[in-house]
Amino acid sequence: DQQVKQNSPSLSVQEGRISILNCDYTNSMFDYFLWYKKYPAEGPTFLISISSIKDKNEDGRFTVFLNKSAKHLSLHIVPSQPGDSAVYFCAARGEYGNKLVFGAGTILRVKS
Amino acid sequence: DSGVTQTPKHLITATGQRVTLRCSPRSGDLSVYWYQQSLDQGLQFLIQYYNGEERAKGNILERFSAQQFPDLHSELNLSSLELGDSALYFCASSVSGGSSYEQYFGPGTRLTVT
Repeated sequence: DQQVKQNSPSLSVQEGRISILNCDYTNSMFDYFLWYKKYPAEGPTFLISISSIKDKNEDGRFTVFLNKSAKHLSLHIVPSQPGDSAVYFCAARGEYGNKLVFGAGTILRVKS
Repeated sequence: DSGVTQTPKHLITATGQRVTLRCSPRSGDLSVYWYQQSLDQGLQFLIQYYNGEERAKGNILERFSAQQFPDLHSELNLSSLELGDSALYFCASSVSGGSSYEQYFGPGTRLTVT
């Protein structure tokens, strides 16, 4: 039962352009969403988050948009840089205990 | 560097054996979480401890157990290991309370069962 889905296994973008990573969820009880970036042989690194009471959160080059009615969130990276090449995981806060439910990840490749 | 440490980095063992993975949370964090990442999959939540007490349980097998000690470090014990237990095991920690729920991950332990 995949409650958080990242339907694009990979994405390739030219340096300087916008990268848009998408994530869908099924559980309407999720109230907090996070994006993590992961390089090979390292643990996931927290990028940006958004509460379900908001529809947008911005931090530098990273913006997360939340559409609650569609149960959809997206991460925009502008401008994309080669160092952004990594696996990006979408996660949602579950019920009691603050566990995170992760999507399967999207591999982003930024070409220079 | 997230401030979360995990040891060992790599572990190779045989089926049927038992191993212990160790995690030290960031200074001041009371919650510790364990996740498993199998090949080409997302992270699966296993278990959470908060200040020494079990707080939430996910898809953790009965062969697996964990604990959090008074100094807040945590150990994940995996026994009667099977080939399918080969995976990356991540520990994460977070602050308690507040309105943000970010978890900070360690570098992981890669377990290979042969």
